[in-house]
Amino acid sequence: AQKITQTQPGMFVQEKEAVTLDCTYDTSDPSYGLFWYKQPSSGEMIFLIYQGSYDQQNATEGRYSLNFQKARKSANLVISASQLGDSAMYFCAMREDPYSGGSNYKLTFGKGTLLTVNP
Amino acid sequence: GAGVSQSPRYKVAKRGQDVALRCDPISGHVSLFWYQQALGQGPEFLTYFQNEAQLDKSGLPSDRFFAERPEGSVSTLKIQRTQQEDSAVYLCASSPGARDTGELFFGEGSRLTVL
Repeated sequence: AQKITQTQPGMFVQEKEAVTLDCTYDTSDPSYGLFWYKQPSSGEMIFLIYQGSYDQQNATEGRYSLNFQKARKSANLVISASQLGDSAMYFCAMREDPYSGGSNYKLTFGKGTLLTVNP
Repeated sequence: GAGVSQSPRYKVAKRGQDVALRCDPISGHVSLFWYQQALGQGPEFLTYFQNEAQLDKSGLPSDRFFAERPEGSVSTLKIQRTQQEDSAVYLCASSPGARDTGELFFGEGSRLTVL
């Protein structure tokens, strides 16, 4: 069963504007973690931001923020003030709690969204 | 280097050949993972090591795939009798923690093409 859904195969944004990348997830586990990774053309996966299921506040890291809506099971990534270097694939991932049958080390990834920042 | 290093970066193999992919994790990292990323897809879990112990190999697609980390540092992913469906990027990642691994640090991957 697909646990992470990224419905946007590709997104375009103008430089300096904000963009939202969508991610929905499926789990019955009350304890889990959500991640966003960036993969430029070089291939390396770069960690961007993390949100724990019990965190009260939405996570922020510089220009990245995670719009966490637990009831809707969504964890959208917001990139503010887009830069040309933000052009890359973006992956949403989830890690489930082991006490409910998951494993707290194994990440499940979505299919990704290709973001292109136009000058 | 400070990051996760993988070699070779690119490998072309004829169908039926054996290949070995190497991962040099960040020094001192306890956890090491292998992921397989097919073209246009997200990475999929293959196997997990905690030090030298292989704690989870549930993602290995067949018994042609074998991974080891004999001294708890460098790891090798071996694929025997390669098939065209094995063509993918193989990503290695490491983490300082044990079972609660937190952020993963990825290498740039080894791109395998099987002809």
